[in-house]
Amino acid sequence: QVQLVESGGGVVQPGRSLRLSCVASGFTFSNYPIHWVRQAPGKGLEWVAVISYDGSRKYYADSVKGRITISRDNSKNTLYVQLNSLRAEDTAVYYCAREVERFFDYWGQGTLVTVSS
Amino acid sequence: DIQMTQSPSSVSASVGDRVTITCRASQDIRGWLAWYQQKPGEAPKLLIYDATSLQSGVPSRFSGSGSGTDFTLTISSLQPEDFATYYCQQANSFPRSFGQGTKLEIK
Repeated sequence: QVQLVESGGGVVQPGRSLRLSCVASGFTFSNYPIHWVRQAPGKGLEWVAVISYDGSRKYYADSVKGRITISRDNSKNTLYVQLNSLRAEDTAVYYCAREVERFFDYWGQGTLVTVSS
Repeated sequence: DIQMTQSPSSVSASVGDRVTITCRASQDIRGWLAWYQQKPGEAPKLLIYDATSLQSGVPSRFSGSGSGTDFTLTISSLQPEDFATYYCQQANSFPRSFGQGTKLEIK
């Protein structure tokens, strides 16, 4: 069955960096664009970034542009996101989600990032 | 950027009720709209895509309508498991964007 499993979250100080991973299984990872979506505690969903199936195209939300890099290793069925210069407002659960025909049909369980001194 | 506005922000209803949630886009998104359901502590779940298409495995009491800028999600007869938060999302252009959510509560 399709699975997406995020990891790498934790408590990090403001200004520091963090790398999140999303490991996929149950489908041909290299055929699908993958997105990151985050959700601050008690808040709604915020789209963060996307990477095309082959890694050639990437788009980012303005709220993270310049501080984020999304990448993928199709040989390892793994998606990465590097978040730099973290701020309190980056505190959220980060989900990876598979895109099919523009929409997100499978999501991971999320990993919590807490930015706090 | 496209802004998505949902209404109401919250609604109270009873099992068996018919409920409608609306979503308005700040510009024409044609039919590139999805609806997601999220329960506390869980990831969102795709219900409707392309504004009107029911995702596989989703009960037929859920339906979507609309095109352009105005969309609706209807639940024809509420079941206990439907009490959750619902989000619309546009897929017309980047950056993708979600509505602020509608919390469906038990009356």
